[in-house]
Amino acid sequence: ETGVTQTPRHLVMGMTNKKSLKCEQHLGHNAMYWYKQSAKKPLELMFVYSLEERVENNSVPSRFSPECPNSSHLFLHLHTLQPEDSALYLCASSQLRGGTQYFGPGTRLTVL
Amino acid sequence: QQPVQSPQAVILREGEDAVINCSSSKALYSVHWYRQKHGEAPVFLMILLKGGEQKGHEKISASFNEKKQQSSLYLTASQLSYSGTYFCGTERQRGVQGGSEKLVFGKGTKLTVNP
Repeated sequence: ETGVTQTPRHLVMGMTNKKSLKCEQHLGHNAMYWYKQSAKKPLELMFVYSLEERVENNSVPSRFSPECPNSSHLFLHLHTLQPEDSALYLCASSQLRGGTQYFGPGTRLTVL
Repeated sequence: QQPVQSPQAVILREGEDAVINCSSSKALYSVHWYRQKHGEAPVFLMILLKGGEQKGHEKISASFNEKKQQSSLYLTASQLSYSGTYFCGTERQRGVQGGSEKLVFGKGTKLTVNP
């Protein structure tokens, strides 16, 4: 596999479910990002990890919990989501924080 | 903080040209351009690091006017494959420390190229 991969590609969950999104980058990058993209809205940065440390959390509700076990993997744990959380969740990575970002294909999340 | 893109949408016929602008109210360290096709992830097109720099990618090129804090993306002789939403991402100058702050994306410009 090359580039940035994300699983699952599609996810439907109820408001009481717990699920996790996974991102893996094969580019040897040191920074990883989670973005939320809703219809007709710009990309919203959620979390930034640099060298496995969380360096940014843009006022994201606690029902979203990121985890970065190593520089190649990034997870987004979901718990008790709301219907308005339905969106495309994109993972990206860059060599250094602030550099060119390469995006994964995204996970299309629907919360019922 | 978020860059402003214009126009919001543009419709072209194949072979026509278009210009998409991205402007910031703050001094910029760099400008990144991405294209996102419907249902797909954003794809990196190019990065401009210096004021006045111009870069090209096939028939798509861009300029960066540091003084005006603005970048423009030029699409010439458009092809059907150019359709998509174009985002600019900007990094602001980090004052006397040098370097840049985080990448912030504009709302996007939707480009439609018709036969």
